[in-house]
Amino acid sequence: DGGITQSPKYLFRKEGQNVTLSCEQNLNHDAMYWYRQDPGQGLRLIYYSQIVNDFQKGDIAEGYSVSREKKESFPLTVTSAQKNPTAFYLCASSMVAGVGEQYFGPGTRLTVT
Amino acid sequence: QQQVKQSPQSLIVQKGGISIINCAYENTAFDYFPWYQQFPGKGPALLIAIRPDVSEKKEGRFTISFNKSAKQFSLHIMDSQPGDSATYFCAANTPGNQFYFGTGTSLTVIP
Repeated sequence: DGGITQSPKYLFRKEGQNVTLSCEQNLNHDAMYWYRQDPGQGLRLIYYSQIVNDFQKGDIAEGYSVSREKKESFPLTVTSAQKNPTAFYLCASSMVAGVGEQYFGPGTRLTVT
Repeated sequence: QQQVKQSPQSLIVQKGGISIINCAYENTAFDYFPWYQQFPGKGPALLIAIRPDVSEKKEGRFTISFNKSAKQFSLHIMDSQPGDSATYFCAANTPGNQFYFGTGTSLTVIP
């Protein structure tokens, strides 16, 4: 089965801790994305990567970091600098950046208390 | 600044009725306009998409109408069913760039 996997589905952390969200794809896509979803605000882009070892900041990159060491993996770290980290996080991929269909993972709901 | 503006925020339709969701954009460089459907707790999935060289695209009960001069596009769901109850997002993008999403419309179809 081809697709995007995100783990875990639910994640709980204490305030002040960094946390890393996993995203893996086996679609052989070059581009990968991270979005944050809050009620009433749609999908806001955190970071995206067009190729391995390259990534660009999206609209709300502050307090987040990413890496792209392998084509199939694009982990997102939510750092303690992110002021309001509780949200639903979605990973996506597309064959090429900004072209055609984006495929989304099932999401990770992060709760920070 | 919101690159793609979507309305309404929520919509309630009777079963069998027509659901209409509208989006507007400013960037004339956009060349791909998809609609995504999202069920609670799941990731969005592509529903239907259009390129600006056509004015309408139909797939089953779902139709996109595209007005290039007005920089607007809309999703029409004919014969709406309770199973269509979901959040719908419009989007736009240009090659080599990010995708820009609307803020979403929560559709409820009443039996």
